[in-house]
Amino acid sequence: QVQLEQSGSELEKPGASVKVSCKASGDTLSSYGLTWVRQAPGQGLEWMGWINTNTGNPTYAQGFTGRFVFSLDTSVSTAYLQISSLKAEDTAVYYCARDIDPLHFFDPWGQGTLVTVSS
Amino acid sequence: DIQMTQSPSSLSASVGDRVTITCRASQSISSYLNWYQQKAGKAPKLLIYSASSLQSGVPSRFSGSGSGTDFTLTISSLQPEDFATYYCQQSYSYSRTFGQGTKVEVK
Repeated sequence: QVQLEQSGSELEKPGASVKVSCKASGDTLSSYGLTWVRQAPGQGLEWMGWINTNTGNPTYAQGFTGRFVFSLDTSVSTAYLQISSLKAEDTAVYYCARDIDPLHFFDPWGQGTLVTVSS
Repeated sequence: DIQMTQSPSSLSASVGDRVTITCRASQSISSYLNWYQQKAGKAPKLLIYSASSLQSGVPSRFSGSGSGTDFTLTISSLQPEDFATYYCQQSYSYSRTFGQGTKVEVK
């Protein structure tokens, strides 16, 4: 049974970059897609996009182009979310989740990574 | 993007109550509708996929129905562990959007 383990909390200054990891165990990363979801403090879930783990092709939702990059290292079954030029409004919990093709529901989820952007 | 609107935004209920949450899509999404439960400080958990299919391990008191633009999540008899926030999510379009959430609170 696949499990997703995310990296720990991050505290960064505005303008810096951060890289969040999502490591799969119990199954190979290339068996499914990998989606990223943001949840700002006290807010709902916001789909950021997904990465096709067979082709490495990422798709970004509106509002998540330019500063957000999805990547993979299949040799260690790990996906990454990199955010550059961090802003205070990027403060949120970021979740990875397996994206089940072709119905595209999300299961399971990683435990979430809190990224705090503050000077 | 397809907009997903849940109602109500919050509700108060007691253990044993039947609870119904509605999700409406801005255009037809066939049965490409999924439901998640999120408890405070935890990651979301898949409850229902394809509008009415119960995810393995999820109690049978949870059920989903609907197609097209209108969908419903029903909890037949609310249990203490069901107090949480529930989200619908459409997977019809390339951009997969969530509803704003419905918080189920203790009455």
